[in-house]
Amino acid sequence: GESVGLHLPTLSVQEGDNSIINCAYSNSASDYFIWYKQESGKGPQFIIDIRSNMDKRQGQRVTVLLNKTVKHLSLQIAATQPGDSAVYFCAETRPYNNNDMRFGAGTRLTVKP
Amino acid sequence: DSGVTQTPKHLITATGQRVTLRCSPRSGDLSVYWYQQSLDQGLQFLIQYYNGEERAKGNILERFSAQQFPDLHSELNLSSLELGDSALYFCASSSTSEGSEQFFGPGTRLTVL
Repeated sequence: GESVGLHLPTLSVQEGDNSIINCAYSNSASDYFIWYKQESGKGPQFIIDIRSNMDKRQGQRVTVLLNKTVKHLSLQIAATQPGDSAVYFCAETRPYNNNDMRFGAGTRLTVKP
Repeated sequence: DSGVTQTPKHLITATGQRVTLRCSPRSGDLSVYWYQQSLDQGLQFLIQYYNGEERAKGNILERFSAQQFPDLHSELNLSSLELGDSALYFCASSSTSEGSEQFFGPGTRLTVL
């Protein structure tokens, strides 16, 4: 069946280190992927997106990598800061096919000072 | 502040009752999305409206319905409530009908007793 999942439910890193959060998807028809950050008591916040015709996209301190061969998505956060502590969700959607968006379970990132 | 507003912030009701959740999108955004977030199901897409018309449907129960009004605000109606409907309900908005950044509201926490 179709699924979007995360390899690790929790990730703990030292402040200043780089973080890598992984996500697997099973539907090769997915063509738009998004990473969201959700802090406690708040709604999800868009971080970065990538379309299936790209394999890498960079933002401010964040990079998303897409490997369509193995259906894998990752979020890299450079120089992780305490303010990065949150739950991170990947989401897949097929904007031109019902636009149904499916979310992974989430990874909780904890940044240690 | 995402610019998306949701009311009420908290809602406590009894099984069998009906409630209405309200969402105002960011100024200029035509798309409104509804999501349910529960501890056991994670974040689930319910339904999307674009400029007043239903655009996409996810895991929305038949007891739930939504609409988007001419002023672009949206309401999610939940009826015959069950204990399992207790969750956070998020609304998000975006400027296009597909494949673009979504801005989430702060959510409505529904508790069914």
